[in-house]
Amino acid sequence: GQNIDQPTEMTATEGAIVQINCTYQTSGFNGLFWYQQHAGEAPTFLSYNVLDGLEEKGRFSSFLSRSKGYSYLLLKELQMKDSASYLCAVLDSNYQLIWGAGTKLIIKP
Amino acid sequence: IAGITQAPTSQILAAGRRMTLRCTQDMRHNAMYWYRQDLGLGLRLIHYSNTAGTTGKGEVPDGYSVSRANTDDFPLTLASAVPSQTSVYFCASSDSGGLVTNEQFFGPGTRLTVL
Repeated sequence: GQNIDQPTEMTATEGAIVQINCTYQTSGFNGLFWYQQHAGEAPTFLSYNVLDGLEEKGRFSSFLSRSKGYSYLLLKELQMKDSASYLCAVLDSNYQLIWGAGTKLIIKP
Repeated sequence: IAGITQAPTSQILAAGRRMTLRCTQDMRHNAMYWYRQDLGLGLRLIHYSNTAGTTGKGEVPDGYSVSRANTDDFPLTLASAVPSQTSVYFCASSDSGGLVTNEQFFGPGTRLTVL
């Protein structure tokens, strides 16, 4: 079967750095997405990786290793507004998105 | 309209009733999707449409139907609601159908409770 694994919850301190990991086992791979979802709101796009390596976008970076079935989202200089759930999703061989359950990130002052 | 909208925002429904959730986008995206989101589970695809006039089944299609008469609208119908369909429903759209590599844009969601 297809599976996306992420930690259920993480806690970090304002101003610090946090890394959210995602491992996947899917039928085929056509890219990996990270989305942010604040409580009670819709998911919003953060990043897309299809090649191995690190993609940097401001305070957020996303890394992919296809051979290891592994990705991480790195958030730097954490702000209180970064408190949200972070969703990992993989585009499978049928070009359908398979979603992880999400990681709830709690930021403490 | 700016982006993608859903109606209603929330609804309480008696079991056995028929219900249609509405979704409209003004971005001229060819692909649209319906997901449900339940606590502790990832988003699960119910139905999708790669282009107007075509639809396909996702991971959890049973009890739901969709239509795509035009580019902008993608309604989701529950023919006879059951309590297990209590969930938050998200509609989404993207610029590419089929070979999706672009991001999906999500509507604000409909919170549905079936009693």
